[in-house]
Amino acid sequence: DVKVTQSSRYLVKRTGEKVFLECVQDMDHENMFWYRQDPGLGLRLIYFSYDVKMKEKGDIPEGYSVSREKKERFSLILESASTNQTSMYLCASLPNRGRGNTEAFFGQGTRLTVV
Amino acid sequence: ELKVEQNPLFLSMQEGKNYTIYCNYSTTSDRLYWYRQDPGKSLESLFVLLSNGAVKQEGRLMASLDTKARLSTLHITAAVHDLSATYFCAVGTTSGTYKYIFGTGTRLKVLA
Repeated sequence: DVKVTQSSRYLVKRTGEKVFLECVQDMDHENMFWYRQDPGLGLRLIYFSYDVKMKEKGDIPEGYSVSREKKERFSLILESASTNQTSMYLCASLPNRGRGNTEAFFGQGTRLTVV
Repeated sequence: ELKVEQNPLFLSMQEGKNYTIYCNYSTTSDRLYWYRQDPGKSLESLFVLLSNGAVKQEGRLMASLDTKARLSTLHITAAVHDLSATYFCAVGTTSGTYKYIFGTGTRLKVLA
């Protein structure tokens, strides 16, 4: 059974704190993604990674950074949390093209509130 | 730049009625995905469409893909309350690194 696990379901942090959101997948997928989901805006891509130590900016990278030191783990970092980063964060993983015509698998989401 | 647009954003319909959700995308892609999300839950995969003219059906939902028009549709037949959810389409890029972009979602409410 495929699995993408996010470290927390709910998180409350103070403005200015450094926040780490962790995502682990056990499917040996090359590609991992971080999205934020806000009402009326759908899922917006923050960053993605196609290999260990490789990363690319998505559509809304400002205020975020990422780390991929191991293939199975992709971390999203809020260097200095702000209230406009209050959102639902979703992690996903996907194998490379040619490794099967599969869809992306999602974690359960982390609802982050910055106060 | 890959952009994905869905419409409508909100859909309220009576049980037993039919309706179609549309997903347009801006650049070439050879695969399109449909997901369902229930409130407070993560995304659940519904369909993967891999070629022009592809059609897949599961229960009261049918998805199709026209790569020339860059359009996918999700058709709902004889809606039931259990189909109430938010539906997303997603498109993957065909070249370079694999970017995976979602539409804004369609919130469907089926009224009894």
